[in-house]
Amino acid sequence: DTAVSQTPKYLVTQMGNDKSIKCEQNLGHDTMYWYKQDSKKFLKIMFSYNNKELIINETVPNRFSPKSPDKAHLNLHINSLELGDSAVYFCASSPHPPSPGETQYFGPGTRLLVL
Amino acid sequence: KQEVTQIPAALSVPEGENLVLNCSFTDSAIYNLQWFRQDPGKGLTSLLLIQSSQREQTSGRLNASLDKSSGRSTLYIAASQPGDSATYLCAVTPKTSYDKVIFGPGTSLSVIP
Repeated sequence: DTAVSQTPKYLVTQMGNDKSIKCEQNLGHDTMYWYKQDSKKFLKIMFSYNNKELIINETVPNRFSPKSPDKAHLNLHINSLELGDSAVYFCASSPHPPSPGETQYFGPGTRLLVL
Repeated sequence: KQEVTQIPAALSVPEGENLVLNCSFTDSAIYNLQWFRQDPGKGLTSLLLIQSSQREQTSGRLNASLDKSSGRSTLYIAASQPGDSATYLCAVTPKTSYDKVIFGPGTSLSVIP
């Protein structure tokens, strides 16, 4: 059984389009995250949701809007895509609050290419 | 502001060698430190997690140490195998924000048969 799943796995689109990436976890976790890994492989947190409420919002353009219909799902909608949005986007989940011995579980990533 | 760095950026070794990957962080107020493995085109897998009260963790051929006072961690891989080829990421969770994991840039490891 897949713990954290993302769709689609690959996404190629034109500049200016609007697209969504979906994430689902079946671990029963309360907190979900979106990370962006750029071309230099740096992985940085974008958003964190706890039980459908936003708790972390890093300096991300407001073209990016996360939506959590329930605590098992956290979708990422991106408006007016730009070339610089090309990256790999990872979803993750963890219990909340996490104990010091607990890790986050990552999805396989969505590779977004904006042309 | 917490920053995580890793050296070397890339490493190529012959099969069978023991090797050490290094991680440094600027703020010692951490909740835990983790080492992840990332394979090309795939997600991240947690290898070892060291809580702030611990000094090291071991799993099979992997051993990770933590020295909070100096802001350093090392990942030791014994008897390396081609299957160990991957990118290894160090990540710290700040004590002030345990939902926010901060990653280093990674070390790309290639083990030559």
